Amino acid sequence: QQQVKQSPQSLIVQKGGISIINCAYENTAFDYFPWYQQFPGKGPALLIAIRPDVSEKKEGRFTISFNKSAKQFSLHIMDSQPGDSATYFCAASMGDNDMRFGAGTRLTVKP
Amino acid sequence: NAGVTQTPKFQVLKTGQSMTLQCAQDMNHEYMSWYRQDPGMGLRLIHYSVGAGITDQGEVPNGYNVSRSTTEDFPLRLLSAAPSQTSVYFCASRRGRTSPLHFGNGTRLTVT
Repeated sequence: QQQVKQSPQSLIVQKGGISIINCAYENTAFDYFPWYQQFPGKGPALLIAIRPDVSEKKEGRFTISFNKSAKQFSLHIMDSQPGDSATYFCAASMGDNDMRFGAGTRLTVKP
Repeated sequence: NAGVTQTPKFQVLKTGQSMTLQCAQDMNHEYMSWYRQDPGMGLRLIHYSVGAGITDQGEVPNGYNVSRSTTEDFPLRLLSAAPSQTSVYFCASRRGRTSPLHFGNGTRLTVT
């Protein structure tokens, strides 16, 4: 079963709007939560990451919100731009075990 | 600095054939891993390695073998290809367990 559940599967947002993607996890041993961005024909690339001792992290227009008690975290993209159109993956890892990914969200930002 | 290099980019196999997907990184990363990407399934971990000579299974290891004889290389072997192994395969590496994963550009494999 998938250890990290991601929603929605797809998202359409107008230029300038806010894109929100949510993830939930079960295993409380996860201690690192990154988000990856993938463009067609390319491998995913790290966008932003958070550790569970922090409730929010912001980098430019991208913010991760983390709720440890609810075992949920989300990505907010402010002032969404057409260039943000891509597939976004949340992920989680623990110890030496490698990273587990959500199913992905295809974001389309309409001009 | 090439990063993570995967070859080939595309491959078509017949059922039952075997092949090796190549992965090399030039960043001296200890951690390397293989994922497969299927629509609606995200990226699923096949095998990973925390250093030369050490490998372990991920979520979907059946039908695949790996070895890690050097820090730079981490090949993935398909022993007897099946149509269910049609997918896009990504190799990735990272310096440590909370360091970013660096991905290659993938190998698109079709098994007929």
